Amino acid sequence: DTGVSQNPRHKITKRGQNVTFRCDPISEHNRLYWYRQTLGQGPEFLTYFQNEAQLEKSRLLSDRFSAERPKGSFSTLEIQRTEQGDSAMYLCASSLSSGGPQETQYFGPGTRLLVL
Amino acid sequence: AQTVTQSQPEMSVQEAETVTLSCTYDTSESDYYLFWYKQPPSRQMILVIRQEAYKQQNATENRFSVNFQKAAKSFSLKISDSQLGDAAMYFCAYSGPGANSKLTFGKGITLSVRP
Repeated sequence: DTGVSQNPRHKITKRGQNVTFRCDPISEHNRLYWYRQTLGQGPEFLTYFQNEAQLEKSRLLSDRFSAERPKGSFSTLEIQRTEQGDSAMYLCASSLSSGGPQETQYFGPGTRLLVL
Repeated sequence: AQTVTQSQPEMSVQEAETVTLSCTYDTSESDYYLFWYKQPPSRQMILVIRQEAYKQQNATENRFSVNFQKAAKSFSLKISDSQLGDAAMYFCAYSGPGANSKLTFGKGITLSVRP
């Protein structure tokens, strides 16, 4: 078990370009979460999946953002027409939900996005 | 909506001493979960400790313990025998009951440890 991995670790792009990030969760985990963290702030929830189903989206997730988890394994987060305000650390977390007490989320190292 | 407040942006502790990090939260739920996460510089966030609201006993993990005051909606983290490796950003987080498993984080507190 290598933990949650995210790629790329860093991304610099120009305003207006599209970017895509990937998250590989811990292998047996059925839930996958995306958060955004700006400098000096705590992470903010964006969206989460149970297997391949996207169960909740934050109002922070504008129509320029889309997330997928096509086979219930890895997930991608795409930002279209990036804006400077999208500059942030994008964190992925995974957990194993078995219907019991609230599960612990395990975080990846994050993808740091800088929009010029 | 649930909110988590960490009012101290920074704290400092002498190595081997004890430090307490404060957190308050607001919720209308009676069943929920509270967490402290540690985020070292340029490293990923890891869970330090968790507390189920239905449990009256405060959680403890080695040198880390919490003081959970449900009526006051307070959830502080005590780090005993502080070590240099404890230096990090610490986030308090809340999660609701059942399927509502997303985390709501506070702004975090930067802890420095003086040798």
